[in-house]
Amino acid sequence: QKEVEQDPGPLSVPEGAIVSLNCTYSNSAFQYFMWYRQYSRKGPELLMYTYSSGNKEDGRFTAQVDKSSKYISLFIRDSQPSDSATYLCAMTGGTNAGKSTFGDGTTLTVKP
Amino acid sequence: DAGVTQSPTHLIKTRGQQVTLRCSPKSGHDTVSWYQQALGQGPQFIFQYYEEEERQRGNFPDRFSGHQFPNYSSELNVNALLLGDSALYLCASSATMTGNNGYTFGSGTRLTVV
Repeated sequence: QKEVEQDPGPLSVPEGAIVSLNCTYSNSAFQYFMWYRQYSRKGPELLMYTYSSGNKEDGRFTAQVDKSSKYISLFIRDSQPSDSATYLCAMTGGTNAGKSTFGDGTTLTVKP
Repeated sequence: DAGVTQSPTHLIKTRGQQVTLRCSPKSGHDTVSWYQQALGQGPQFIFQYYEEEERQRGNFPDRFSGHQFPNYSSELNVNALLLGDSALYLCASSATMTGNNGYTFGSGTRLTVV
């Protein structure tokens, strides 16, 4: 079983919809949680990072971490066609400091 | 401000050959990590370099080796290439060894082994 599980999708939504992307993990030592966006043929781009449990908002993006459930989410409000990409969650901490563990990504398509 | 630069962008090699990939980190970053991303999967950690030394290593055989130069740039070397080494190789830089605030990634080198 992988340390980080992510629903691969694909996920298709109409423009303007609220999107929810999720990851679960098994390693309780993870303390830092990141979300990356990856367009085709490009490297991942950091969207947000959070520490421990709680919420963090940045524009249309909100990241949530529930360490008690080992569950993290990324919400995208007012989704745009330009949000169409693969979204990767990543986490690090404890003995894994210095090496992020990634999910396999969720592919999102936002239709105009 | 240049981000992470990787070269070459694409490469085709034959089984058994050796390959060297290169990376220049983002300005102000002194830590470089390398990741392998197979098609349809998330990046897998290979190793991390800081102060010209390998600091962390993932579950990759010693056919994978690296180097960091005094200007913080880095190389990834893979010997005795296997078909399974075909992947996107990503270089990531950060301002801290922990990478707790995330990485800046390059666009990667697409390696195809035939």
